Amino acid sequence: EPEVTQTPSHQVTQMGQEVILRCVPISNHLYFYWYRQILGQKVEFLVSFYNNEISEKSEIFDDQFSVERPDGSNFTLKIRSTKLEDSAMYFCASSSRTRTVYGYTFGSGTRLTVV
Amino acid sequence: SQQGEEDPQALSIQEGENATMNCSYKTSINNLQWYRQNSGRGLVHLILIRSNEREKHSGRLRVTLDTSKKSSSLLITASRAADTASYFCAALGGSNTGKLIFGQGTTLQVKP
Repeated sequence: EPEVTQTPSHQVTQMGQEVILRCVPISNHLYFYWYRQILGQKVEFLVSFYNNEISEKSEIFDDQFSVERPDGSNFTLKIRSTKLEDSAMYFCASSSRTRTVYGYTFGSGTRLTVV
Repeated sequence: SQQGEEDPQALSIQEGENATMNCSYKTSINNLQWYRQNSGRGLVHLILIRSNEREKHSGRLRVTLDTSKKSSSLLITASRAADTASYFCAALGGSNTGKLIFGQGTTLQVKP
């Protein structure tokens, strides 16, 4: 069964440093997403991406965040200057269409720890 | 309160019993999805029910949707210790962006 792959599985970074979280969505999917989950809390939407541009972003997704699909296969989330409160599990997801019958496929997540 | 409220927040049952989790949402939806998450791990899609459906089955899972009450329930029958996990509902709204709004989740513990 096709999978969404995320790397790294765990990243520790110092406050103020830039991090790039990487995702390889399912190859024939066209819609890509990032979500995050702070420990013990619910999963929160960050951003959706279609046709090489952001289609929606949440209030969390401020100027410190950016997404890119640099080469047609990878989908990245960059946090320019990390803060302690950015510590969370970050999930990438993809779907074949927004009103999908089959649901999304989520990756297994990257646990980001900012120290 | 926010879209995607679930109850109970925690549920503890014996193996073999049924587990029922409820979810309520605020706005109109295109579909509602249920996900499972083992502790500290990724989200696994379980089942999706569209807004024009009232009930759906998949193995030991049964999902209902009541759009008039803006609520859904997930029933796991004949639970097993391996069903121990957190379960989240996620509502897909009417926008074209595919944004999912997740509930707070129900933590299910199935005791052997």
